[in-house]
Amino acid sequence: DAKTTQPTSMDCAEGRAANLPCNHSTISGNEYVYWYRQIHSQGPQYIIHGLKNNETNEMASLIITEDRKSSTLILPHATLRDTAVYYCIVRATSNFGNEKLTFGTGTRLTIIP
Amino acid sequence: KAGVTQTPRYLIKTRGQQVTLSCSPISGHRSVSWYQQTPGQGLQFLFEYFSETQRNKGNFPGRFSGRQFSNSRSEMNVSTLELGDSALYLCASSLQPGTHYGYTFGSGTRLTVV
Repeated sequence: DAKTTQPTSMDCAEGRAANLPCNHSTISGNEYVYWYRQIHSQGPQYIIHGLKNNETNEMASLIITEDRKSSTLILPHATLRDTAVYYCIVRATSNFGNEKLTFGTGTRLTIIP
Repeated sequence: KAGVTQTPRYLIKTRGQQVTLSCSPISGHRSVSWYQQTPGQGLQFLFEYFSETQRNKGNFPGRFSGRQFSNSRSEMNVSTLELGDSALYLCASSLQPGTHYGYTFGSGTRLTVV
């Protein structure tokens, strides 16, 4: 699986949009971009994933650049409950025998009241 | 529907003992993965089971083992515990390996080895 690079930490004011960048310059054509977050002392929570098109769900939006070498997770109206470590993961799918998620160090997002 | 259930939530063991952790996946999910999380190493993949077969294994010593039952519930066992095995052990379930629908994690079992 391709390696990802994320900033170590970020702050965002409550109510504003939080934009979390991720670089994955070695991503392969069959690798998806996944985002998970981990709130303190809980298990990681799946947020969103995408291949090459932008994606949106009830939690967030995922913007993937045309060359797929980077992406941005957007939390449109951040709340204090969004304070967490956010992990960007690239992973091929439908590969029996390669199902693991490789977590990096993630971005520690702090929402400021 | 019920989420991924891990038991026990907390556990304290003595060095040299063995421990068994349990994971019940979401109903209908047949794949179960295990991860270890420590402050120094972060989240690391242990192994994944599907249809009672181990499909993939991480880089951990043989003291770490697991199994999956016919109802998809899974257990992991650590023998001859070491202080360094103190960690949060997380279980994740999905419909099947390779699915791109994401994994659902449990809240974990926090193991402390003294």
